[in-house]
Amino acid sequence: GAGVSQSPSNKVTEKGKDVELRCDPISGHTALYWYRQRLGQGLEFLIYFQGNSAPDKSGLPSDRFSAERTGESVSTLTIQRTQQEDSAVYLCASSLVMRHEQYFGPGTRLTVT
Amino acid sequence: AQKVTQAQTEISVVEKEDVTLDCVYETRDTTYYLFWYKQPPSGELVFLIRRNSFDEQNEISGRYSWNFQKSTSSFNFTITASQVVDSAVYFCALSEERRGSGTYKYIFGTGTRLKVLA
Repeated sequence: GAGVSQSPSNKVTEKGKDVELRCDPISGHTALYWYRQRLGQGLEFLIYFQGNSAPDKSGLPSDRFSAERTGESVSTLTIQRTQQEDSAVYLCASSLVMRHEQYFGPGTRLTVT
Repeated sequence: AQKVTQAQTEISVVEKEDVTLDCVYETRDTTYYLFWYKQPPSGELVFLIRRNSFDEQNEISGRYSWNFQKSTSSFNFTITASQVVDSAVYFCALSEERRGSGTYKYIFGTGTRLKVLA
């Protein structure tokens, strides 16, 4: 079946603009996760959804970051007033239920100029 | 505190050598899950294995094997007869339940970059 997809694959934006990143999880997966990965670094957890509920938003770096999920489907991560330090690859993953393995999308490479 | 340590930042081996990637974890729970993921140069993370805390049996899958030892809180990953295609960043991860919530917290280690030289 189809894996996790993310769009766009690449996004270049000017500092101060808002961006919206999209994630389509594997069908039937109830849990969805967002991570940030800076070049050569590990995974920085941002937020997760169980269904369309986000119990823990503590990983979001600032109030410029927000995310939502529609039912147990598409999720969007929005970054307002982008800054250069937001430049990174944003990874989305989904899992059948939370304790199971995660399946990752190819990521969105965000460059803020 | 929940924590995953991958002390080896980068390892280089020559093709056909065996290599072990270390993972040490900390958790207060008796029920938890451990994972290994591979991130090849192409960038997309790939799930390799999941282990629950009640199953300490070692696992072998082809050239890959995993050694789970609760006594030392370790979940090490060995690649036998390494190949150039094994070159990647490998991440160890831990998942445990957020107390009473029914939801799980995931922590990834910082990763070990493996370079297999021809």
